[in-house]
Amino acid sequence: NIVLTQSPASLAVILGQKATISCTASESVNKFGINLMHWYQQKPGQLPKILIYNEFSRAPGIPARFSGDEAELNFTLTIEPVEADDVATYYCQQGLTFPLTFGAGTKLELK
Amino acid sequence: EVQLVESGGGLVQPGRSLKLSCLASGFTFSNYGMNWIRQAPGKGLEWVASISSSSSYIYYADTVKGRFTISRDNAKNTLYLQMTSLRSEDTALYYCARHPSRRDYYFDYWGQGVMVTVSS
Repeated sequence: NIVLTQSPASLAVILGQKATISCTASESVNKFGINLMHWYQQKPGQLPKILIYNEFSRAPGIPARFSGDEAELNFTLTIEPVEADDVATYYCQQGLTFPLTFGAGTKLELK
Repeated sequence: EVQLVESGGGLVQPGRSLKLSCLASGFTFSNYGMNWIRQAPGKGLEWVASISSSSSYIYYADTVKGRFTISRDNAKNTLYLQMTSLRSEDTALYYCARHPSRRDYYFDYWGQGVMVTVSS
């Protein structure tokens, strides 16, 4: 199974600053040159929402403040500038092989 | 507008069975693969099962394999999850979710979820 290790578990950021969330995969999630890594946002009491799919593609309606990147199995979700509405838990998920797996989540709070 | 509405949850004793349903609308249900994903109280997301648009391909998490059965009725626009031999660790909010194509296993639409509580 592909294990996704997210860090940090929680993150406090000043409004307007940058938040960086990491997700390290235990093995490649690449298929035909595309990294099948996806990111979700789950606000308190709400259902998850897709933010980024296939490593860096923003889902419809997602602002450019959210971006995805990858370096050597280490995937990052960056939010810049952070807004109050971004307080949520963020999850990565790999879509390469079954079982589909999620990271444990990173809780973003405002400092 | 895409809508996914789960139903069938509730309180059930360990070892018993329960069947969840997810009624889809706002898109051509028979063209899309579907999934069940769960979230235990205060915990993260766990993928449970996937089914292709024509039911040709079905996959399960090891934690539910042999106990849960995913199925669909394209004529009724409905996804199902038959759960048997339920355990306390199956207690969770169960979401149905769509994946956009058979090559893209991410979840672009989610239902609001239905709670399943396994307790004596």
